[in-house]
Amino acid sequence: AQSVAQPEDQVNVAEGNPLTVKCTYSVSGNPYLFWYVQYPNRGLQFLLKYITGDNLVKGSYGFEAEFNKSQTSFHLKKPSALVSDSALYFCAVRDASDDKIIFGKGTRLHILP
Amino acid sequence: EAQVTQNPRYLITVTGKKLTVTCSQNMNHEYMSWYRQDPGLGLRQIYYSMNVEVTDKGDVPEGYKVSRKEKRNFPLILESPSPNQTSLYFCASSLDRVRETQYFGPGTRLLVL
Repeated sequence: AQSVAQPEDQVNVAEGNPLTVKCTYSVSGNPYLFWYVQYPNRGLQFLLKYITGDNLVKGSYGFEAEFNKSQTSFHLKKPSALVSDSALYFCAVRDASDDKIIFGKGTRLHILP
Repeated sequence: EAQVTQNPRYLITVTGKKLTVTCSQNMNHEYMSWYRQDPGLGLRQIYYSMNVEVTDKGDVPEGYKVSRKEKRNFPLILESPSPNQTSLYFCASSLDRVRETQYFGPGTRLLVL
């Protein structure tokens, strides 16, 4: 069965520093991987996805993520954090052979001014 | 404007009183899904639908029903709500079941007394 893990409940980063939000996954087939962001009192918004091709994926708001097949990871990164990046971030995975999508438990990102 | 709408946004009800949360999308998407979000558990998929008259269980379907009579609508039905169904509910849609990103509604906060 597929699963996804976000090992950190919360990540604190100073404004201007690089940030990383971790995600690891487990699927039996080929993974389709996604990052979503949730701002307070809002629904989830798509950030980026990996389906196939280049392992480095660029997305909205300057975020990027690197697909690492050997480590089964899909960490979210940004070179220079902004206070406005403070939000709840969800990693999600779909197995190519399944119709379900599994979300991680979320990581709350705090960017400190 | 392309969007997913949910109604109501907030609902307080009592145990056993049947309720329906509506979900509608105007993007002609085939795939629709319902999630619940609970602290520490992230998003969990309740039901999903790959097209009209095609629905299937997600990870936490107990106590819920859905229907997909029209492509744009995907209501969530709680026949006999219980307090453990108090949660934040999100409807989402995507063009197809695997590769496409999901568009999320604004959420429905449900309290069952």
